[in-house]
Amino acid sequence: GEDVEQSLFLSVREGDSSVINCTYTDSSSTYLYWYKQEPGAGLQLLTYIFSNMDMKQDQRLTVLLNKKDKHLSLRIADTQTGDSAIYFCAETAPSNTGKLIFGQGTTLQVKP
Amino acid sequence: GAVVSQHPSWVICKSGTSVKIECRSLDFQATTMFWYRQFPKQSLMLMATSNEGSKATYEQGVEKDKFLINHASLTLSTLTVTSAHPEDSSFYICSARTSWGIDNEQFFGPGTRLTVL
Repeated sequence: GEDVEQSLFLSVREGDSSVINCTYTDSSSTYLYWYKQEPGAGLQLLTYIFSNMDMKQDQRLTVLLNKKDKHLSLRIADTQTGDSAIYFCAETAPSNTGKLIFGQGTTLQVKP
Repeated sequence: GAVVSQHPSWVICKSGTSVKIECRSLDFQATTMFWYRQFPKQSLMLMATSNEGSKATYEQGVEKDKFLINHASLTLSTLTVTSAHPEDSSFYICSARTSWGIDNEQFFGPGTRLTVL
C-alpha cells in the first residue's frame, strides 16, 4: 500500500538552512505537499509541487522532487525560531477521493 | 482564504459518555470533509471521509458505530465519539475539501483535544 516516510527530528541553528526529507511509494500522485503543524494546532499548507516538476521555490522554501527515487525534500533558508514546528509531507491517494497520505512528521527544532 | 473551524477546541469527559465534535467551513461550501486522528508525536490517521448527504466512508479498522459521522450540510460535519473510553483520548482534526485550487485543496481545522477520564 501507500507509504510516506520521514525522519523524525531535525535540529538547526537560527540562520542556517534546514532540509527535511521524505520518501513516498505511490508514483501516480499528482501533487505532493508539505504541511506545517505548530503545537496544539491544525495543519497549514506550506507549499506543494506538481508531479511533473523537479523544483519549486517560494520565498524561503525550496521543494525538490526526484521522481525516479520517489524522494521529496523541503529546504527552509535562513531558518528562524518561528519555523520550529512539525513538518508533514503528504501525497494524494491513488483514487480521486481527495485522500491524503501523511508521513510521520519531522519535528524541526531551531536553536537561537 | 478558506477557514475551517472546530468546536470544541478541547473537551474532557467521563468514560462511557458521548462527545460530539463539530467541523465547519466558514466561508466556503465543502462537499467532502475528512476526519483524522492524531496521537502524540505521530502522524495523522485518516478515520473517514464525510460526503454531504450520504453516509461516511470509514477507513479499515475504524469502528463506524463508535465514531458516528454526520455531514448534514455543505458547511458542517460532526463526529460523535460514542461511549468514549480512555483509549479514545486523542487529537481529532477535520479538513474540508474545496472545489477550487490545486487538486481540490483541503483546509484543516485547528483540531479538538479529547481527554477521556
